[in-house]
Amino acid sequence: GDSVTQMEGPVTLSEEAFLTINCTYTATGYPSLFWYVQYPGEGLQLLLKATKADDKGSNKGFEATYRKETTSFHLEKGSVQVSDSAVYFCALESGNTGKLIFGQGTTLQVKP
Amino acid sequence: SQTIHQWPATLVQPVGSPLSLECTVEGTSNPNLYWYRQAAGRGLQLLFYSVGIGQISSEVPQNLSASRPQDRQFILSSKKLLLSDSGFYLCAWLKGTFSTEAFFGQGTRLTVV
Repeated sequence: GDSVTQMEGPVTLSEEAFLTINCTYTATGYPSLFWYVQYPGEGLQLLLKATKADDKGSNKGFEATYRKETTSFHLEKGSVQVSDSAVYFCALESGNTGKLIFGQGTTLQVKP
Repeated sequence: SQTIHQWPATLVQPVGSPLSLECTVEGTSNPNLYWYRQAAGRGLQLLFYSVGIGQISSEVPQNLSASRPQDRQFILSSKKLLLSDSGFYLCAWLKGTFSTEAFFGQGTRLTVV
């Protein structure tokens, strides 16, 4: 069945460091791909999305490119801030079934 | 605007007792609805999803069931709770397939004692 695999955390970085959180997926067809973020004490919210191959989603300095050939959607940011500390979830939506599948989440901690 | 309501926010229940968590959506029609469980260190596990009234897909075998009696209502139930049912339960919706965003309820923290 469809699945999403994220790199394990926690990831601890210093402020202004470069961030990469890996995400790969397995799905039939061509799913839409998402990154959601959960800040401490809050619910999940959409960070960025891509709906077809080679699309690049971007928001708040974060970027991710839909790579069909490697079935990946890695999240990157050039310079992280303390306020980026949160749990990040990669997800896919199967257009065929309507299922919304999340990865296990990666905790990011940014230290000043 | 669309909103999603989930209640109760916290719940402490004894082992063997029944469970009913309710989720309702306002401001949209025919949404896809989802129940997730977020366990510590285990991310978001999809439990059930529904693409329409009376249509329920179960993702994992478990002690829980779901029902969708109305277009914008999604209920998570159990006849007899187990200790392992403890966790944080989240309801979410998308407006049909190929949607651009999922919206989440505030969640229910369930503790089975």
